[in-house]
Amino acid sequence: NAGVMQNPRHLVRRRGQEARLRCSPMKGHSHVYWYRQLPEEGLKFMVYLQKENIIDESGMPKERFSAEFPKEGPSILRIQQVVRGDSAAYFCASSPRYGRMGTEAFFGQGTRLTVV
Amino acid sequence: KNEVEQSPQNLTAQEGEFITINCSYSVGISALHWLQQHPGGGIVSLFMLSSGKKKHGRLIATINIQEKHSSLHITASHPRDSAVYICAVRSEGGSQGNLIFGKGTKLSVKP
Repeated sequence: NAGVMQNPRHLVRRRGQEARLRCSPMKGHSHVYWYRQLPEEGLKFMVYLQKENIIDESGMPKERFSAEFPKEGPSILRIQQVVRGDSAAYFCASSPRYGRMGTEAFFGQGTRLTVV
Repeated sequence: KNEVEQSPQNLTAQEGEFITINCSYSVGISALHWLQQHPGGGIVSLFMLSSGKKKHGRLIATINIQEKHSSLHITASHPRDSAVYICAVRSEGGSQGNLIFGKGTKLSVKP
């Protein structure tokens, strides 16, 4: 049973390009969470998704950022028209069907986005 | 002032020492998490607490809801425990996963 898989591990984008970050949850997990870790800062919650539903997007920037978790395939965090301030590590976590986000949550290795 | 404060920020210990990392928070919570972030960046969930105490191997986590304080203890520390330890809280009424994180405590255990 593979863990939470995030890809790519490292992503370099020029200012103005789009960044697509993928997260494949653990098998049997239907809840996905995205977090951002800016350099020298703590983690910050971005969005909580279930299959085909956004449950809580209160941590998402109002513009340029979107997330989805389709019925089939990975969850995608999309950043349009990236700026230097988007450079960060983006982590995904998943938890099982009944949403037990305790020690039953598992994190991916993160995607390190660098905007040049 | 951050809603979740950890102390110390940095901690260096000798192998075998007993270690305590503290977390204080200023909001009402429904759960508190302790996470471990390895030097390579990967994150592992260690504990989720809403009351009392939990133990897993050499790790012990306690929480005092009245005092709004939690501690993470490591007994018989080992160099492989070197990592950043992060406290995070879920505020009352917040969705699961909507966590407020501390800035972490960087632990280095010397052989």
